Amino acid sequence: GENVEQHPSTLSVQEGDSAVIKCTYSDSASNYFPWYKQELGKRPQLIIDIRSNVGEKKDQRIAVTLNKTAKHFSLHITETQPEDSAVYFCAASSDFGNEKLTFGTGTRLTIIP
Amino acid sequence: NAGVMQNPRHLVRRRGQEARLRCSPMKGHSHVYWYRQLPEEGLKFMVYLQKENIIDESGMPKERFSAEFPKEGPSILRIQQVVRGDSAAYFCASSPNRDTGYTFGSGTRLTVV
Repeated sequence: GENVEQHPSTLSVQEGDSAVIKCTYSDSASNYFPWYKQELGKRPQLIIDIRSNVGEKKDQRIAVTLNKTAKHFSLHITETQPEDSAVYFCAASSDFGNEKLTFGTGTRLTIIP
Repeated sequence: NAGVMQNPRHLVRRRGQEARLRCSPMKGHSHVYWYRQLPEEGLKFMVYLQKENIIDESGMPKERFSAEFPKEGPSILRIQQVVRGDSAAYFCASSPNRDTGYTFGSGTRLTVV
């Protein structure tokens, strides 16, 4: 089955700086890669996703890049703000669509004011 | 649209009792997914259902766990004879089709005492 590794497990960044979180996956058939943000005690929220036919996708301060050859994808957050503090999870799906996501273990991002 | 509704938010059960977790998907969503999250860990896939059908239950423990999504009413995740190791947050998600990202509910936090 699919295996997703996520690094780092914790990340502290000065407000205004950029944050980068990296994930690798094992199944070359994986074709859907979402990122979720989870604040303490709350539900995971989809913040951006990318499919394997695209190398990069951007939404305001958030971007995701995908390297299919190396089987890794990354989340980039620019101009970080205190409200970006949360746990971020990457995921991958090796099914046709999004039926079964395999999640990484999460990155706790802390923005230092 | 009220989003994905899960109830109860918190559930306390004694060892050996049954736990029933309910999930009402977003309006227009016919795909339902259940995930389990242990403290400080990522989400683990349990089961994927469409109306009246279990599509993929590869993440469900073979014993004591069952799920359904009847023609009318919410999806139910049922855990019989709960044990301490069942204590976790159980998240339900829904989507309108296989190609659209999930929307998660707020979760049910099950505590077995």
